[in-house]
Amino acid sequence: AQRVTQPEKLLSVFKGAPVELKCNYSYSGSPELFWYVQYSRQRLQLLLRHISRESIKGFTADLNKGETSFHLKKPFAQEEDSAMYYCALSGGGDDKIIFGKGTRLHILP
Amino acid sequence: DVKVTQSSRYLVKRTGEKVFLECVQDMDHENMFWYRQDPGLGLRLIYFSYDVKMKEKGDIPEGYSVSREKKERFSLILESASTNQTSMYLCASSNPQDWKTEAFFGQGTRLTVV
Repeated sequence: AQRVTQPEKLLSVFKGAPVELKCNYSYSGSPELFWYVQYSRQRLQLLLRHISRESIKGFTADLNKGETSFHLKKPFAQEEDSAMYYCALSGGGDDKIIFGKGTRLHILP
Repeated sequence: DVKVTQSSRYLVKRTGEKVFLECVQDMDHENMFWYRQDPGLGLRLIYFSYDVKMKEKGDIPEGYSVSREKKERFSLILESASTNQTSMYLCASSNPQDWKTEAFFGQGTRLTVV
């Protein structure tokens, strides 16, 4: 069964410190992995996807198929990074998108 | 710039009422989704539609039904609302022809059942 696991409900990091939000997945085929972000009072939106190999707002994520992980990283946290982050998976023939339980990132001044 | 629109931001309904949540997208997407978002539980898929009149159950379909009569509109129906259906409901759409399969979300409907 498809599953996305985000082990941390809340992550507090000081401004300027590195950030790593963990995501592990279980999937039998070749999934597409995403990170979505929801800032306060805004709608959920795509942050980045593994297939693009891009850096958005200083965040990167590398798909590690051996460890079935897709951790989100940023070298220097900024206060505006405070938000709810969801890891998501899509794959197979039905286009369903499955989300993890989310991690709330709190950047301390 | 708004692409996925949910008809209400806030709804308060009584136990036992029939509730309709409406979602419209203007991107001509084939896929549409309904999720509920609860603290500590993340987003859980209720129903998914990949074409007009086509639907698939998600992880938590009990107590819900859906309707997709037109491509741009996907309705979530609570046949008899209960207090445990108090939640934030999110609608989303995506294009299966797009290799990126990004989902676009509505602003959410916060439903309270009293």
